[in-house]
Amino acid sequence: GQSLEQPSEVTAVEGAIVQINCTYQTSGFYGLSWYQQHDGGAPTFLSYNALDGLEETGRFSSFLSRSDSYGYLLLQELQMKDSASYFCAVAYSGAGSYQLTFGKGTKLSVIP
Amino acid sequence: DTGVSQDPRHKITKRGQNVTFRCDPISEHNRLYWYRQTLGQGPEFLTYFQNEAQLEKSRLLSDRFSAERPKGSFSTLEIQRTEQGDSAMYLCASSLGGQGSYEQYFGPGTRLTVT
Repeated sequence: GQSLEQPSEVTAVEGAIVQINCTYQTSGFYGLSWYQQHDGGAPTFLSYNALDGLEETGRFSSFLSRSDSYGYLLLQELQMKDSASYFCAVAYSGAGSYQLTFGKGTKLSVIP
Repeated sequence: DTGVSQDPRHKITKRGQNVTFRCDPISEHNRLYWYRQTLGQGPEFLTYFQNEAQLEKSRLLSDRFSAERPKGSFSTLEIQRTEQGDSAMYLCASSLGGQGSYEQYFGPGTRLTVT
């Protein structure tokens, strides 16, 4: 099976930097995805790491360490609109298929 | 708007009734997924299709749940004899196949309330 752990809540100040950690246990690991979900909205894809290291997409960066079964999402220059839930999701292969298992999410609150 | 649509957006039903939801994925995506999400939780995998073939179902999915994807286009999810525990947001997502399945596009969801 798959299991993921991430903090349930994080609060940060507008303009600051925040890091959301994710640790996982899975077989057939392929990569780690991150999704954002605003209240009442659908999850939207942010980033994906298949290899160790940092991937940067604008204000968002994502990191993966396969040996440590650990990843994080880094949000820079926080804006009020970044207040949302952030989910890490392991991409894994099993019986020839590829799927995602989501964590429980981290609710980020950005305060002025 | 991700290009994935779901209908209806909201459904209120009485315990014991059957309900059916529809999902229209992005047309060029051959993979379609159904998830269930409750408050404060991440999306929980229910089942997925590769074209018209249903390739996997969650072990948590009871026999009251059935899904179809005729002709590999839209999909329906039916819940028979609904129970109050079925109240949740039902999300549909689509993606390209194979390794591209890490990037899934979600629809707005159908919120089911069972009274």
